[in-house]
Amino acid sequence: DAGVIQSPRHEVTEMGQEVTLRCKPISGHNSLFWYRQTMMRGLELLIYFNNNVPIDDSGMPEDRFSAKMPNASFSTLKIQPSEPRDSAVYFCASRPMGTGELFFGEGSRLTVL
Amino acid sequence: GENVEQHPSTLSVQEGDSAVIKCTYSDSASNYFPWYKQELGKRPQLIIDIRSNVGEKKDQRIAVTLNKTAKHFSLHITETQPEDSAVYFCAASEGGTGGGADGLTFGKGTHLIIQP
Repeated sequence: DAGVIQSPRHEVTEMGQEVTLRCKPISGHNSLFWYRQTMMRGLELLIYFNNNVPIDDSGMPEDRFSAKMPNASFSTLKIQPSEPRDSAVYFCASRPMGTGELFFGEGSRLTVL
Repeated sequence: GENVEQHPSTLSVQEGDSAVIKCTYSDSASNYFPWYKQELGKRPQLIIDIRSNVGEKKDQRIAVTLNKTAKHFSLHITETQPEDSAVYFCAASEGGTGGGADGLTFGKGTHLIIQP
């Protein structure tokens, strides 16, 4: 298996623009997580899905952030409009049922100018 | 929600010595405690985990201990090697086996530096 696949790997955009990050989980995994990593705040859980259903989005910073999982093999995290403070590495991770291990993607490094 | 505190933020040890990283958690319902290693520019990867029905677990040079009464757990690395240099994260969740619909709360990480 190729592992969790994220795109784009790097994104540089200007304040106010819309950003869409994409994730393909490992086939057969039933949970999907979006994390944000910064030096100051570490790894923050933004939202997670179980069987494509959003379970807890309390970590989503504000209404500018939204996430979807239309099917078991695809999820998106959207920021609209983006702000400089959104600059971070965004990780997607998936987990198979019955285990605790999260399998992380390579991350998407976002820079908002 | 859960709050995980981790210390130290940076730890420098001589190659061959032991390293200990400590974490505390706030939610007494948490019962799954993994440790992740993240090398520079890479993704976090699980190195060891422990569940609340176990007090200690070992895997070669790595061990984790758990004190549920005090709500703290620790990572121990013995005979450190240069390839152990990385950022280590502890985490906690209520998931038990982790199979439930719950997310991991991570500590802020420890940058472990192995001095040659």
